[in-house]
Amino acid sequence: GNSVTQMEGPVTLSEEAFLTINCTYTATGYPSLFWYVQYPGEGLQLLLKATKADDKGSNKGFEATYRKETTSFHLEKGSVQVSDSAVYFCALSHNGGYQKVTFGIGTKLQVIP
Amino acid sequence: EPEVTQTPSHQVTQMGQEVILRCVPISNHLYFYWYRQILGQKVEFLVSFYNNEISEKSEIFDDQFSVERPDGSNFTLKIRSTKLEDSAMYFCASSDQGGTNEKLFFGSGTQLSVL
Repeated sequence: GNSVTQMEGPVTLSEEAFLTINCTYTATGYPSLFWYVQYPGEGLQLLLKATKADDKGSNKGFEATYRKETTSFHLEKGSVQVSDSAVYFCALSHNGGYQKVTFGIGTKLQVIP
Repeated sequence: EPEVTQTPSHQVTQMGQEVILRCVPISNHLYFYWYRQILGQKVEFLVSFYNNEISEKSEIFDDQFSVERPDGSNFTLKIRSTKLEDSAMYFCASSDQGGTNEKLFFGSGTQLSVL
């Protein structure tokens, strides 16, 4: 079946450091890929998405590229801020159907000043 | 930005009791979902709901679970007889389209603790 594997945290970085959170997936067909973020006390929010191979999703300085050959969708940001501290979830949605999203376990990021 | 609202934020119940988790989706959305996350585990899909009926459900969503849209604004998840293993964070979500590329809007969750 479909699955998402992402690096387990927590990840602790200093402000302005480079961030990579690895994510790989297993899926049949051509899923859409997402990164969701959960700030403390809030719900999950869509951060970025990519719907086909080689697409790059980007938002708020974060980027991720849909790599079909390596079945990966790694999240990157060149310079993190304290306000980026949150839990980041990699996810995919199945072909057809009603948005049955498969999530990774979530990676907690803590950015220290 | 419009929000999905969930109440209560925390619910404590005794094993065997019935609980109802409440959600108010975004007003013009047509597709509704429940997900849950057991502590330390992945966020898991429970059920999707469209046009007043369940459109898809997971193996987790057994006969103890039910969903309802009792009026034009609320979307509820009922657990008939709670078990210890039902303790989790439950997220409601909604979207205005049902396609796989569409953005889900999530609530902040209800933390259910079954004692």
